[in-house]
Amino acid sequence: AQTVTQSQPEMSVQEAETVTLSCTYDTSESNYYLFWYKQPPSRQMILVIRQEAYKQQNATENRFSVNFQKAAKSFSLKISDSQLGDTAMYFCAFIPTGTASKLTFGTGTRLQVTL
Amino acid sequence: EAGVAQSPRYKIIEKRQSVAFWCNPISGHATLYWYQQILGQGPKLLIQFQNNGVVDDSQLPKDRFSAERLKGVDSTLKIQPAKLEDSAVYLCASSLLPGINSPLHFGNGTRLTVT
Repeated sequence: AQTVTQSQPEMSVQEAETVTLSCTYDTSESNYYLFWYKQPPSRQMILVIRQEAYKQQNATENRFSVNFQKAAKSFSLKISDSQLGDTAMYFCAFIPTGTASKLTFGTGTRLQVTL
Repeated sequence: EAGVAQSPRYKIIEKRQSVAFWCNPISGHATLYWYQQILGQGPKLLIQFQNNGVVDDSQLPKDRFSAERLKGVDSTLKIQPAKLEDSAVYLCASSLLPGINSPLHFGNGTRLTVT
């Protein structure tokens, strides 16, 4: 069974600053994908970024980037130039490859961006 | 394209009553998911449909929860009778195909409060 752990229940960052959200996971699978989802107060889960485990290069999407350490089973999200609209819950998620696999989410980190 | 539609947005019921949630996925999406998100936790998969067939319902409490996807389009999730611990946000998601290469699109969820 897979587990995903987010050890930071809440974080705060000032606008324009950089913040890093942590995520660790546990699996015996060798091929899998990792994701960061954003859930604003509207409750809709929005995909922020994804990383394939077989790729050594860290994924980047505009202001969002990840630090993927496969050996350490760590997958942190860095948000640069934080904006007020980044305020939301952030969930780390894991899925092994294969059509029968299902997504496992962490417990989330609440990020507050302040002026 | 129109997103995943869910209704109602909020629902308050007393324990032992019944409730139903509705989901209309993105047009053409063959795979539909229902997730339960309890406050302070990440979403947990309840059931996955491929067209109108059930792929995975291993975490669905079948003594009180039921779901159907008639004609492989809309889906309803029912709880009967409801318990206090069923208070949660129920998220519907859809994807073009099952598996990792087809991203999930989430609806805004239904917040259920059982009193």
